[in-house]
This record gives sequence, C-alpha cells and structure tokens, in this order.
Amino acid sequence: DQQVKQNSPSLSVQEGRISILNCDYTNSMFDYFLWYKKYPAEGPTFLISISSIKDKNEDGRFTVFLNKSAKHLSLHIVPSQPGDSAVYFCAASARRGSQGNLIFGKGTKLSVKP
Amino acid sequence: EAGVTQFPSHSVIEKGQTVTLRCDPISGHDNLYWYRRVMGKEIKFLLHFVKESKQDESGMPNNRFLAERTGGTYSTLKVQPAELEDSGVYFCASSRGDRSWETQYFGPGTRLLVL
Repeated sequence: DQQVKQNSPSLSVQEGRISILNCDYTNSMFDYFLWYKKYPAEGPTFLISISSIKDKNEDGRFTVFLNKSAKHLSLHIVPSQPGDSAVYFCAASARRGSQGNLIFGKGTKLSVKP
Repeated sequence: EAGVTQFPSHSVIEKGQTVTLRCDPISGHDNLYWYRRVMGKEIKFLLHFVKESKQDESGMPNNRFLAERTGGTYSTLKVQPAELEDSGVYFCASSRGDRSWETQYFGPGTRLLVL
C-alpha cells in the first residue's frame, strides 16, 4: 500500500503560469515532507521541505503548502519556466522514532511549454 | 563541495552474475542511504548507514543483497546472484547527521539491467 501518493502522473503548464503539484499521504506519523526534482539520467535534487509544525514554506518561486487535517501537501511554482520541466517527487518521513528513510510518491512529470 | 558520486553509471549483466555498486557520499556526511527505483514505480528505501553501522536495513529485498560501508566512508552494494527483478536504478544519498539530517542529497544513480 502506498503511503505517499501523487495521483497525477503528468502536468502541462504554459510558461509564466503557476504549476501546482499535489501529494497525499496516509501515515499520520509523517512529520517532515520534502519535494525533489529529477531530470532524466540524474538523481533527485532536493528542492524544498516543510515540517509538520508549519503550513507553508517559501523559497523563491517555490512554495510548499501543508494541510495536515487533509493529509495533503502541494508544491506551487510561480512563475513556471521551461527549465522547471522535470519529474517532481514528493517524499515524507517520520522523524520521531524514525531511522531517517524517506517514503516517496511515484512522481509527477511537469512540462512547461514556452 | 563534491556531490554524491556513484559507480558505475550503468551495468548490464546476465541473470546469476554478481554486480557491485559503489557510492561515495559527500565528505563529512555520516548518514548514507541506498534506494532503488524499479521501472514505473516509486523510489524505495533499501538501507541506512550511520558511519560504518547499519542503522536500518528493513528495505533490503532479500539476502542476495549485501551492503557494506567499511571505515564509514564509501559504501558498496553487492547483488549476488542477480535476478531479472533486480533491474532498476539504484540511488545512493547522504546527509550530515546533525539537525539537517532530513535533507538527503542524492547521487546520479546506477542503472542496472539484468538479462
């Protein structure tokens, strides 16, 4: 059973518009969430993270929102750029009592069209 | 600062053969993780080292997989004998081990194909 779900395998957005990538989780023990970006033939690159004590974290064009009651988080990219085209993975961990391993979703492929 | 490096980048072997993958973490990172992504599926945790000790190996699929981290520096992951279902991309990641342990930095991966 998947504990972290990214239900949209792909998303296409026009350059300059907002990209919204969604992620749902089932394990209420998760208290730290991360987004990674992955280009073909490369490893995942850390993008942004959020602790469960917050509901929003912003870094430049990237903002992550966390809704704990809905067990849902989203990544907003604004404005979207063609270089943002990549696969985005949502990941979660349960830091209390955790050994540190990340649980990943299957990823969403974002295409930003010029 | 050099990132996480992995060797080889690709490996094609026949079923029953042995393959050893190597990971060099970022210098000074005590935590080292192995993950695997099988085609079309999510990236899955295999195991976690803290320095030279195995902290968590709950994700290792079976006893055909052996991971080591001698001296707490680089790590190797050996698959012996390899089976068809072992094909996939094997990622290594490292993190510092202090307050920023949550941020794991990934290597480029080793693409393993078992024929």
